[in-house]
Amino acid sequence: EADIYQTPRYLVIGTGKKITLECSQTMGHDKMYWYQQDPGMELHLIHYSYGVNSTEKGDLSSESTVSRIRTEHFPLTLESARPSHTSQYLCASTQGGPNGYTFGSGTRLTVV
Amino acid sequence: GDSVTQMEGPVTLSEEAFLTINCTYTATGYPSLFWYVQYPGEGLQLLLKATKADDKGSNKGFEATYRKETTSFHLEKGSVQVSDSAVYFCALPPQITQGGSEKLVFGKGTKLTVNP
Repeated sequence: EADIYQTPRYLVIGTGKKITLECSQTMGHDKMYWYQQDPGMELHLIHYSYGVNSTEKGDLSSESTVSRIRTEHFPLTLESARPSHTSQYLCASTQGGPNGYTFGSGTRLTVV
Repeated sequence: GDSVTQMEGPVTLSEEAFLTINCTYTATGYPSLFWYVQYPGEGLQLLLKATKADDKGSNKGFEATYRKETTSFHLEKGSVQVSDSAVYFCALPPQITQGGSEKLVFGKGTKLTVNP
């Protein structure tokens, strides 16, 4: 059973709309991450957080924003969606150190 | 900085064929090493890991041995099945950098298709 949940799984939305992708985990992990996955499958880190009220931009520039008001919740927001935002978005969390990440099932976003 | 170089795909095999996906790494010290698998339409799942040199991680018939001397962690399976069709990622665990970040370092992924 998944301990990290992403909603929605699939989203088709019109250009210019504001959207929020949800990510929640029940493991009490401090560190959470958002990845954008391109069609070639490569993963690009776009945002991460070390804990409540901590957010940082990742390696790939993104027009999205994130917040971390609660440990378990790490939503990603696009203020004005564009077709270039069409992608798979993956959320992950970890307690850090030598442990791996736990990933959500992803949100596949299509902007038309 | 730390990095992972993974064999580029796509890889197409027939059922029961032998699989090798190469992975080499550059890292400070001797980190744990991971293989993740992503089935179609899903997120990534941890497939196996090794925590120190000469360790062998194994799961679902897949194996990978942590080779310090060649800085490699190649993924192998003796007889693949159609259900093994997926994308496979080699990874180093979160590294604490000078900036204080802890980010998992991924390879670019190798897409495997197994035909019946």
